[in-house]
Amino acid sequence: KNEVEQSPQNLTAQEGEFITINCSYSVGISALHWLQQHPGGGIVSLFMLSSGKKKHGRLIATINIQEKHSSLHITASHPRDSAVYICAVRSRTSGSRLTFGEGTQLTVNP
Amino acid sequence: DGGITQSPKYLFRKEGQNVTLSCEQNLNHDAMYWYRQDPGQGLRLIYYSQIVNDFQKGDIAEGYSVSREKKESFPLTVTSAQKNPTAFYLCATGEIGNIQYFGAGTRLSVL
Repeated sequence: KNEVEQSPQNLTAQEGEFITINCSYSVGISALHWLQQHPGGGIVSLFMLSSGKKKHGRLIATINIQEKHSSLHITASHPRDSAVYICAVRSRTSGSRLTFGEGTQLTVNP
Repeated sequence: DGGITQSPKYLFRKEGQNVTLSCEQNLNHDAMYWYRQDPGQGLRLIYYSQIVNDFQKGDIAEGYSVSREKKESFPLTVTSAQKNPTAFYLCATGEIGNIQYFGAGTRLSVL
């Protein structure tokens, strides 16, 4: 079993829908990251969080440390949100190293 | 123009050949990382460096080598010992314990 599990693996939505991507992890962590990878391959960091909730534009990330679970929400989804969304954790014992989930492929249709 | 520059964008390796992927940054970050991405798998750490003249093996270091002679540069050599080198390679930098910034990647294929 991977240390970081994401669900769903693939997600197709209609423009305007509310989207949720989930991430579960099995180790004690010091931080969790959400990343976005576009078709060309470039990766952008969206959030780093260790507790609570963060919001940036239409994106919201939440984390529940006790349940070892995080969610990434996208409100009013748009075709330009189509990308792979990746969850990564920094465990308390790994220093600066990250462990990555396999990613969720999101496709938003107009 | 600040950021991380990876080159080349595409690279082809012949049997038995060593190839070197370049990663340069002008963000003044201490830590630099090399990841490998294969279809359907999460990114896997090859090597990382937290300070000049020092680096550590990641989870899949076999068949790869690195150097960190300058803060700005962290080249990755894919040696002939790496039997399955075809993959997308990503370099990242960051301050230790903070978010990581990624380059655009190098796609390596075998001829």
